Amino acid sequence: DIVMTQSPDSLAVSLGERATINCKSSQSVFFTSNNKNYLAWYQQKPGQPPKLLIFGSSIRESGVPDRFSGSGSGTDFTLTISSLQAEDVAVYYCQQYYSTPYTFGQGTKLEIK
Amino acid sequence: QVQLVESGGGVVQPGRSLRLSCAASGFSFRTYTMHWVRQAPGKGLEWVAVISSDGSSKFFADSVKGRFTISRDNSKNTMYLQMNSLKLDDTAVYYCARESIPYGSDAVFDYWGQGTLVTVSS
Repeated sequence: DIVMTQSPDSLAVSLGERATINCKSSQSVFFTSNNKNYLAWYQQKPGQPPKLLIFGSSIRESGVPDRFSGSGSGTDFTLTISSLQAEDVAVYYCQQYYSTPYTFGQGTKLEIK
Repeated sequence: QVQLVESGGGVVQPGRSLRLSCAASGFSFRTYTMHWVRQAPGKGLEWVAVISSDGSSKFFADSVKGRFTISRDNSKNTMYLQMNSLKLDDTAVYYCARESIPYGSDAVFDYWGQGTLVTVSS
């Protein structure tokens, strides 16, 4: 199984500042034949299901604000929120869909400092 | 609009069975691969199972293999999760989720239900 490890476990950032969450996979999730990274990011607010933010490592889902961006390839990935808003307080998960079982990181809790 | 509504959760004793349903609307259900993902109280997300659009292909997490089965009835726009031999560790909110591309093979989940809580307790 591919193990996904996020860092940090929790993060406090001031409003308007940048937030960065890292995700590392135990093996590459890059498929060379189509040049795609099989890595997605989700946001989950309390009492709600997860919401898709990013797929293919860096492709923003329709309707997601452009302050959210994803980067990385192979085994190391980053979710960046360029200017933190109050509504961004949530737990963020990375997920690999390279192979079954599809696995998630343990989550990173983002709070306002 | 796309809607996924889970039902069937509840409190059940260890070793007993439960069947969850996921009713879909607002899209062509028969063209999408569907998944179950669960979340234990206060914990992270765990993928559980997947079923292809026509129901011919199914995969399971090791933690539920041999105990859970997944099925769908495309005429009723509904997916099911039959959970047998339930364990305490199966206690979780169970979400159904849709893959983002019809007939696709990328397990990117663009729509999720609100979830149904399964509590396994003696």
